[in-house]
Amino acid sequence: KQEVTQIPAALSVPEGENLVLNCSFTDSAIYNLQWFRQDPGKGLTSLLLIQSSQREQTSGRLNASLDKSSGRSTLYIAASQPGDSATYLCAVRPADSWGKFQFGAGTQVVVTP
Amino acid sequence: NAGVTQTPKFRVLKTGQSMTLLCAQDMNHEYMYWYRQDPGMGLRLIHYSVGEGTTAKGEVPDGYNVSRLKKQNFLLGLESAAPSQTSVYFCATVDVIGQPQHFGDGTRLSIL
Repeated sequence: KQEVTQIPAALSVPEGENLVLNCSFTDSAIYNLQWFRQDPGKGLTSLLLIQSSQREQTSGRLNASLDKSSGRSTLYIAASQPGDSATYLCAVRPADSWGKFQFGAGTQVVVTP
Repeated sequence: NAGVTQTPKFRVLKTGQSMTLLCAQDMNHEYMYWYRQDPGMGLRLIHYSVGEGTTAKGEVPDGYNVSRLKKQNFLLGLESAAPSQTSVYFCATVDVIGQPQHFGDGTRLSIL
């Protein structure tokens, strides 16, 4: 069974510092990996989707990399802002899962002014 | 364009009561999912559907039933609510395999 881990569970950084969030998965046979942001009491907002054939995806200050062979994905957020404070989750779609996704527990990020 | 709409947003039930959560989407997506989110455990898949008239069990299906009679609606039922089902429930949709998931805002359910 695919297991997805996000370490650390919580992270606090000063404004302006770059954020590095990690996601690891146990089975490299994946179809894609998706990063989400969740604000307190809210739903999940999609940030980036990386297909298994891709190495990275970029959107503005966000960059996500994927290393399937080592079972890792990293989300980089450049020049963090207090508005980036949220919980970030990654979800992996196994290759044979008919669309089912396996989620990590998330990393709670606080960016201090 | 509402995307994915979940009703109700909040509900308090007593143990043993039943209720149905509705997920409605206006994007004509094929795939629909029900998750529950508990503190420290991430999201866990309850049931899912790969198209109108189809349903399948996810990771934690016990105590729940689902139906997808119309493509745009996916219903999650609790036949006899238990305190262990206190959670936040999320619905998600996917257009075709390989595309991103789209989430609703969630239903916060408390069972006393």
